[in-house]
Amino acid sequence: SQTIHQWPATLVQPVGSPLSLECTVEGTSNPNLYWYRQAAGRGLQLLFYSVGIGQISSEVPQNLSASRPQDRQFILSSKKLLLSDSGFYLCAWRRGGGWYEQYFGPGTRLTVT
Amino acid sequence: LAKTTQPISMDSYEGQEVNITCSHNNIATNDYITWYQQFPSQGPRFIIQGYKTKVTNEVASLFIPADRKSSTLSLPRVSLSDTAVYYCLVSGMDSSYKLIFGSGTRLLVRP
Repeated sequence: SQTIHQWPATLVQPVGSPLSLECTVEGTSNPNLYWYRQAAGRGLQLLFYSVGIGQISSEVPQNLSASRPQDRQFILSSKKLLLSDSGFYLCAWRRGGGWYEQYFGPGTRLTVT
Repeated sequence: LAKTTQPISMDSYEGQEVNITCSHNNIATNDYITWYQQFPSQGPRFIIQGYKTKVTNEVASLFIPADRKSSTLSLPRVSLSDTAVYYCLVSGMDSSYKLIFGSGTRLLVRP
């Protein structure tokens, strides 16, 4: 069966510090991968999605970036965090090319102080 | 991508049937409709998906009229544990890589 992991589970970082969040998927190959952010009490904001290694599409221009160095690894990064980067970060995967549902990871709660 | 509109919130009582409607007026021919459920501090979880008419699974039903400009998620006999946010997504084969969630409907089930 497929499993999706995210770490860390929680993170408290000062403004201006760098960020690296990691997501890995097990049990499938060539998944579509997604990063979402959810501010407190709000809906999910799509940040990045990837259909293959090295292929990243950005939905929201901001100080975040994403990379996919391996087929089942998706990394979200920032060089300098802003207060507005606080939120719940969710990684998701789905099979590509059809009407498949997304599967979400447990999420990372990021607080920028 | 088709834009979706849902009620911001709904209240219900245990044992009642709850119907949440999503409007998607500019849905394309190849688009399909998917509903997710999200509990606090968790990622959304797939509930049901459909293209037209009616789809039913063990937890919900999805009703899609002939014009497909809206869809209704039906939750039979809700319990307190159904209190959650429900999202409707519309996506198609052409844009299936990009999946954008709307604001969702916050359902509160009261005892």
